[in-house]
Amino acid sequence: GAGVSQTPSNKVTEKGKYVELRCDPISGHTALYWYRQSLGQGPEFLIYFQGTGAADDSGLPNDRFFAVRPEGSVSTLKIQRTERGDSAVYLCASSPHGTSGTDTQYFGPGTRLTVL
Amino acid sequence: DQQVKQNSPSLSVQEGRISILNCDYTNSMFDYFLWYKKYPAEGPTFLISISSIKDKNEDGRFTVFLNKSAKHLSLHIVPSQPGDSAVYFCAASSYNTDKLIFGTGTRLQVFP
Repeated sequence: GAGVSQTPSNKVTEKGKYVELRCDPISGHTALYWYRQSLGQGPEFLIYFQGTGAADDSGLPNDRFFAVRPEGSVSTLKIQRTERGDSAVYLCASSPHGTSGTDTQYFGPGTRLTVL
Repeated sequence: DQQVKQNSPSLSVQEGRISILNCDYTNSMFDYFLWYKKYPAEGPTFLISISSIKDKNEDGRFTVFLNKSAKHLSLHIVPSQPGDSAVYFCAASSYNTDKLIFGTGTRLQVFP
């Protein structure tokens, strides 16, 4: 079956602009996660959805970052007033249940965001 | 504060030999540990996991060992194959949360 997909694969924007990154999870997966990976680092947790609600948004760096999952499937990560430090690969993952702490998370290929 | 540490940024191993990748953690609340493999331009792919109630888990050529007293885990790949060349990330989570805390990764190169 289809895995996690993310669009666009690459996004180049100018400082101060608004961007939206999209994630299509594996069909039927109730849990969805966003991570950010900077150069030379491991993925860093941003936010986790259980269904339509954000169960944990403790990783969002500031209020310029916002994510939604209105129908419990597709999710959009929104970044306002982008800064050069936002440049990174943004990874999305999904898991079947997300309630046990032991669910395997399946990652998409990521969106490479470059802020000029 | 880096809660999950992979102190070796790279490792080079000859094909057929054993690869040993190491990971240390500081948070005693972690009770589930995973290894992910990542190829360039792809997302991380789940490899193997271990619960804190075990000290070893094996899946084919891959074995993960957990030493809770030392807060240390390792991934053994034997025999190593050129297709194993990738970046390997160690990750940890707690029972009451599903977010993964990743290490910085170790780049494994398996040469013929």
